[in-house]
Amino acid sequence: AQKVTQAQTEISVVEKEDVTLDCVYETRDTTYYLFWYKQPPSGELVFLIRRNSFDEQNEISGRYSWNFQKSTSSFNFTITASQVVDSAVYFCALSEYGQNFVFGPGTRLSVLP
Amino acid sequence: SQTIHQWPATLVQPVGSPLSLECTVEGTSNPNLYWYRQAAGRGLQLLFYSVGIGQISSEVPQNLSASRPQDRQFILSSKKLLLSDSGFYLCAWRQGNSNQPQHFGDGTRLSIL
Repeated sequence: AQKVTQAQTEISVVEKEDVTLDCVYETRDTTYYLFWYKQPPSGELVFLIRRNSFDEQNEISGRYSWNFQKSTSSFNFTITASQVVDSAVYFCALSEYGQNFVFGPGTRLSVLP
Repeated sequence: SQTIHQWPATLVQPVGSPLSLECTVEGTSNPNLYWYRQAAGRGLQLLFYSVGIGQISSEVPQNLSASRPQDRQFILSSKKLLLSDSGFYLCAWRQGNSNQPQHFGDGTRLSIL
């Protein structure tokens, strides 16, 4: 069965600090896909990144970076030099082949000026 | 490019009244469609999904129903709303395969009085 855990319910940082959001998943499949979404205060979910189970390369996009480690079943998300606009709820999600998404419970990030 | 429209943005309804939320997708054909509910400060709960016209799968037993009268139209309904139906409702679509991300509408904030 699929499961996604985001152990950090809420995180507060001061602007310009780096912050890492943890995501741990469970799956029995060898083919699966991982996603991160951002939900700003306005409410819509914004797709950030997709990673498939065969690609463990880390990815960097501007201030965002993602660390995928199959050995620990983790797909962590780091924001470097955080900004107030990064304040949001961040969701990690897992999709096995032929199955619907399973979302984690989300981590609320507050970046204080 | 593909877009998803969801309305209304905000709705206040009395207990026992009916409900109809509509979601349409443009720029794609035969998408998978989803309705989620998010209680205040909580994660996402999948309510219904559809892989084609007239095909609806329910994830959670409740007094809500969904219909897909056209390929790119997904409707969430209720005959009699309960207080517990309050929440933030999100419609999403994705193109077929498990490796594709879901794309979300802006959501409807439903308050039941």
